[in-house]
Amino acid sequence: AQKITQTQPGMFVQEKEAVTLDCTYDTSDPSYGLFWYKQPSSGEMIFLIYQGSYDQQNATEGRYSLNFQKARKSANLVISASQLGDSAMYFCAMIGDQGGSEKLVFGKGTKLTVNP
Amino acid sequence: GAGVSQSPRYKVAKRGQDVALRCDPISGHVSLFWYQQALGQGPEFLTYFQNEAQLDKSGLPSDRFFAERPEGSVSTLKIQRTQQEDSAVYLCASSGRASRKKSYEQYFGPGTRLTVT
Repeated sequence: AQKITQTQPGMFVQEKEAVTLDCTYDTSDPSYGLFWYKQPSSGEMIFLIYQGSYDQQNATEGRYSLNFQKARKSANLVISASQLGDSAMYFCAMIGDQGGSEKLVFGKGTKLTVNP
Repeated sequence: GAGVSQSPRYKVAKRGQDVALRCDPISGHVSLFWYQQALGQGPEFLTYFQNEAQLDKSGLPSDRFFAERPEGSVSTLKIQRTQQEDSAVYLCASSGRASRKKSYEQYFGPGTRLTVT
């Protein structure tokens, strides 16, 4: 079975600094994908970044980058130059190949607070 | 609108009542997903459709939960004889993938917050 672990219930960062949110995963699928979503207090899940298991390079999307270490089964999210609007819940998720289902498996999330 | 919409946004039900939650996916999206998010937790998968076919319902917690997507667009999640443990936010998502590529992200709606009293 697939599993996502996010060990940081909460993180604090000063505005304009960088922050790393941890994510480890477990799967027996040879091919899988890893996602990060942001969930503000409004509740909507916002896609941030995706990394495929066979991608050679770490994914980047603007201020977001994914530090993918396949051997360690980790997919940490790095947010550079934090902004007050980055304060939200952040979820790591994965999609695998089990039975062809496209379902996402989510971690418990990390609450990020950006301080001015 | 261009995004996934869900209705109602909030629903209060008395224990034992039946409820129906609606999801309008992004036009043309093949895949549609339902997730349940308890307070302080990550979303948990309930069921998934590709067009009108329900391909995976392994996450439905009991036979009180039923989902349908009869014409391959709008979907309804029905919960019969609601219980207090059903209180959660129900998220719908859609994606445009029609192949086994995994790079298509799922676009989420705002969710329906269900409170069972």
